[in-house]
Amino acid sequence: QVQLVESGGGVVQPGGSLRLSCAASGFTFSSHAMYWVRQAPGKGLEWLAVISSDGSHKYYADSVKGRFTVSRDNSRNTLYLQMNSLRPEDTAVSFCAKEGRPGSFDSWGHGTLVTVSS
Amino acid sequence: QSALTQPPSASGSPGQSVTISCTGTSSDVGGNNYVSWYQQYPGKAPKLLIYEVNKRPSGVPDRFSGSKSGNTASLTVSGLQAEDEADYYCSSYAGNNNYVFGTGTKVTVL
Repeated sequence: QVQLVESGGGVVQPGGSLRLSCAASGFTFSSHAMYWVRQAPGKGLEWLAVISSDGSHKYYADSVKGRFTVSRDNSRNTLYLQMNSLRPEDTAVSFCAKEGRPGSFDSWGHGTLVTVSS
Repeated sequence: QSALTQPPSASGSPGQSVTISCTGTSSDVGGNNYVSWYQQYPGKAPKLLIYEVNKRPSGVPDRFSGSKSGNTASLTVSGLQAEDEADYYCSSYAGNNNYVFGTGTKVTVL
């Protein structure tokens, strides 16, 4: 079955960087757009970014545009999120999610916690 | 992009129905049929319940149903069960390859 496993979270100082990974299995990774979604502690879900199946198209939420970069390696079935210029308000659990039917996220990873604190 | 508006909480007794609203604008909920709903237990990943306003993925009980009128979408949980106690989020395509989630609703089974 579909499995998505995030890694790379941790504690980083404001202004620092982190690179998240999402290892995918159980489906044809190269055929699906992929998403990043985050959830601040005790808060709701926030869509961050989407990347097309071949990696040629990438779109971002205004809150992370210019600071975060989504990428993928279809040969390794892995999705990435490079997070730069991190701010305390970026503290959240970040989930990767698989494209389902249009506009839906039909499979999710367990999430990885990013904490931005001095 | 502003979050879609959901009531913070909703409740019902076992066997009853509860309906959760999700209000957006003509740029998101009212502008397309790509509205979906997710169930999330504390500390867990969200799970897709409804896509394209009113379609259920395989394995989702038919107690869960979705609808939309204008800029407001709704999720109805019929025949409430103890296991339905969770947080529920709506989501909509918002144009220009952007997506937006709702503020979330905590459902309590009394």
